[in-house]
Amino acid sequence: AQKITQTQPGMFVQEKEAVTLDCTYDTSDPSYGLFWYKQPSSGEMIFLIYQGSYDQQNATEGRYSLNFQKARKSANLVISASQLGDSAMYFCAMREGYQAGNQFYFGTGTSLTVIP
Amino acid sequence: NAGVTQTPKFRILKIGQSMTLQCAQDMNHNYMYWYRQDPGMGLKLIYYSVGAGITDKGEVPNGYNVSRSTTEDFPLRLELAAPSQTSVYFCASSYFLGGQNNSPLHFGNGTRLTVT
Repeated sequence: AQKITQTQPGMFVQEKEAVTLDCTYDTSDPSYGLFWYKQPSSGEMIFLIYQGSYDQQNATEGRYSLNFQKARKSANLVISASQLGDSAMYFCAMREGYQAGNQFYFGTGTSLTVIP
Repeated sequence: NAGVTQTPKFRILKIGQSMTLQCAQDMNHNYMYWYRQDPGMGLKLIYYSVGAGITDKGEVPNGYNVSRSTTEDFPLRLELAAPSQTSVYFCASSYFLGGQNNSPLHFGNGTRLTVT
């Protein structure tokens, strides 16, 4: 089974609107972390936001927030007030706290295009 | 603080040639990783290391070798390059201690490798 699933290959959003990028995960580890990364066309990987499995509140970082629904095993990224510079690939990732090797698992990504 | 430094940024290899991709980090991270990203795809783990002298295979290790003689350096060796190894290679590092999993991956800027 896939550890991280991103079901939206591509998304479009109007500038200044909010957009939600979906991510579901699969783990039996009680301790895990969820991460979102942005990859613009220039290619670098930029860390955006983190959510821990024991965190009671949804994480927020500026215009980014993470809609964490533990029972549904989902960790959707919400970008508010979209800007043209938000056009990029977005990857959801998970790190399991106690598993051997402590690997990061990545989804296949969602390509976001912001329309002026 | 340079973060994760990868060299070279670009390289063209002929089939059968060998090369080493260099990676260094100055954040005193214990974990280091090598990923490859094929066009339009997500990240696949090649090898990782949990500390100096310890390495382990990831999802796609065939055709590659690594070593970790120091905390800072984690070179990736390609032996007998093949066209299937044409990809963008990312080195990354992270810190991990016990059950804590809130340290994100810090990525280098990538190496774009073409094998012809």
